Amino acid sequence: AQSVTQLDSQVPVFEEAPVELRCNYSSSVSVYLFWYVQYPNQGLQLLLKYLSGSTLVESINGFEAEFNKSQTSFHLRKPSVHISDTAEYFCAVTYTGTASKLTFGTGTRLQVTL
Amino acid sequence: NAGVTQTPKFQVLKTGQSMTLQCAQDMNHEYMSWYRQDPGMGLRLIHYSVGAGITDQGEVPNGYNVSRSTTEDFPLRLLSAAPSQTSVYFCAAGGRYNSPLHFGNGTRLTVT
Repeated sequence: AQSVTQLDSQVPVFEEAPVELRCNYSSSVSVYLFWYVQYPNQGLQLLLKYLSGSTLVESINGFEAEFNKSQTSFHLRKPSVHISDTAEYFCAVTYTGTASKLTFGTGTRLQVTL
Repeated sequence: NAGVTQTPKFQVLKTGQSMTLQCAQDMNHEYMSWYRQDPGMGLRLIHYSVGAGITDQGEVPNGYNVSRSTTEDFPLRLLSAAPSQTSVYFCAAGGRYNSPLHFGNGTRLTVT
């Protein structure tokens, strides 16, 4: 069965500092990987995705994630965070032929402070 | 753009009561799904549908029923509510296979 592990339930960081949110998945076949962000009292929004091609993917607000097949990881990074990045971040995986049926990790709460 | 609309936003039920959570999408997506979100457990798939007239079970289907009579609507029914069903429920819609999902804003359900 597919699974996703987010090792850190909470990550506190100061504004303008770099951050990395870790995500590992279990797989022996091709995978499609996503990061979603959830702001308070809202639904989830897609942040970025890896479907194929370049292993480094970027979002419009400065986040990036690198697909590492050998380590089965898809860590999310940002070189300089802002207060507005405070939210919960979910890593998700689906496999070829599963029709968008995503398996989510347990989430990482990113708390940015001054 | 409405996207995915869920109603109600909040609901309190007593044990044994039934109710339907509504979900509607205006993006003509084939795929729709229901997730529940509980602290420390992420989102878990309850039921999903790959098109009108087709539904299937997800990871935690017990106690829930769904139907998909139209492309737009995908209601979730709780037949006899239990305190273990206290949760935040999210409906999502998306294209086929591996395209991203669009989520509604959720329904917060409390069962006492």
